[in-house]
Amino acid sequence: DSGVTQTPKHLITATGQRVTLRCSPRSGDLSVYWYQQSLDQGLQFLIQYYNGEERAKGNILERFSAQQFPDLHSELNLSSLELGDSALYFCASSLAGTSVDEQFFGPGTRLTVL
Amino acid sequence: AQSVTQLGSHVSVSEGALVLLRCNYSSSVPPYLFWYVQYPNQGLQLLLKYTSAATLVKGINGFEAEFKKSETSFHLTKPSAHMSDAAEYFCAVRRRGSYIPTFGRGTSLIVHP
Repeated sequence: DSGVTQTPKHLITATGQRVTLRCSPRSGDLSVYWYQQSLDQGLQFLIQYYNGEERAKGNILERFSAQQFPDLHSELNLSSLELGDSALYFCASSLAGTSVDEQFFGPGTRLTVL
Repeated sequence: AQSVTQLGSHVSVSEGALVLLRCNYSSSVPPYLFWYVQYPNQGLQLLLKYTSAATLVKGINGFEAEFKKSETSFHLTKPSAHMSDAAEYFCAVRRRGSYIPTFGRGTSLIVHP
């Protein structure tokens, strides 16, 4: 158990809908990362937050947005969903968010868009 | 732009045999390098990382990797495979000063009894 929790574990929805994925980092970690894992694209970095502020942005679509709240939990919002958005979405956390920090991964949320 | 190539989407070994998972990177300067393991239905777990100290890096579960600048490689090895090593392994690179990692496509390690 990494100490990172993600909810829900599974999510099934229809095209065009909007969903919210939630992540609670390990106690004491200030940085949160979001990743998308799919068969087509492999593991892709989406976005990183540090203590409530966006720190780095990767291959995140404009239909996707994220935020980190004062209690350090984070949410990833996916809107206007398409079939291709079906994937496993991971959240990770680290203590200080540096480029050599160890990241601890949650178990993931499996999103299925029908 | 940096990139990571993992040679072989699947590697099959017998229990007790040497494990060798290959990773080559493309970067203008030596980056930070990482190996992660992913067990079924779980998130990734860090095995080891190279951050410019010793070129031979020892990690958890008996794994180690050697950074070879001349070959732009960071291959993962374990002297003797165990059944519990069966998993997906990912090599990742992060440019110094960048927060954005790039992952390889992964190598599935299959261990036969």
